[in-house]
Amino acid sequence: GDSVTQMEGPVTLSEEAFLTINCTYTATGYPSLFWYVQYPGEGLQLLLKATKADDKGSNKGFEATYRKETTSFHLEKGSVQVSDSAVYFCALSFNTNAGKSTFGDGTTLTVKP
Amino acid sequence: NAGVTQTPKFRVLKTGQSMTLLCAQDMNHEYMYWYRQDPGMGLRLIHYSVGEGTTAKGEVPDGYNVSRLKKQNFLLGLESAAPSQTSVYFCASRLDRDGQPQHFGDGTRLSIL
Repeated sequence: GDSVTQMEGPVTLSEEAFLTINCTYTATGYPSLFWYVQYPGEGLQLLLKATKADDKGSNKGFEATYRKETTSFHLEKGSVQVSDSAVYFCALSFNTNAGKSTFGDGTTLTVKP
Repeated sequence: NAGVTQTPKFRVLKTGQSMTLLCAQDMNHEYMYWYRQDPGMGLRLIHYSVGEGTTAKGEVPDGYNVSRLKKQNFLLGLESAAPSQTSVYFCASRLDRDGQPQHFGDGTRLSIL
């Protein structure tokens, strides 16, 4: 079956540091890929997405590129802020499968001032 | 924009009691989902629905029932609550189109004593 593997956390960075959270997937075919963010006490929110190979999703300074050859969708940000502290989930989905998503286990990011 | 609304936000039950969690979405989405989130277990799909009047089992359906009598509502029932059902429950919805993300509610925190 489909699966998503995320870099294990927790990750602790200083403010303005560079962030990378690795995500690789296994799937039959070409899924849509997503990064979601979850702040304490809240539900998951879409951070960015990419729907085909070589697409780059971007939002709020975060970026991720859909790499078909390496089946990866790594999340990056050039300069993190304290407000970026949250749990980040990588996910894939196919619309043909009732839109069900396969989620990674989440990576907790803490940014210290 | 209400999006996905879950009620209640918090609840404490005694073992053996029953309750219903309500999820309402105002985005005219066809697909709806119930997840539970437990520490170290990620998000696990309980049940889902691909349209009004339909329901299907997810990864961990035992001990739960669902109904989708109206397109905008998706109810999750616990007939006889058990301590193992202590968790945070999230509802999500999604458009029936390629590349669409899921939209999440803020969760219901349920404790079974």
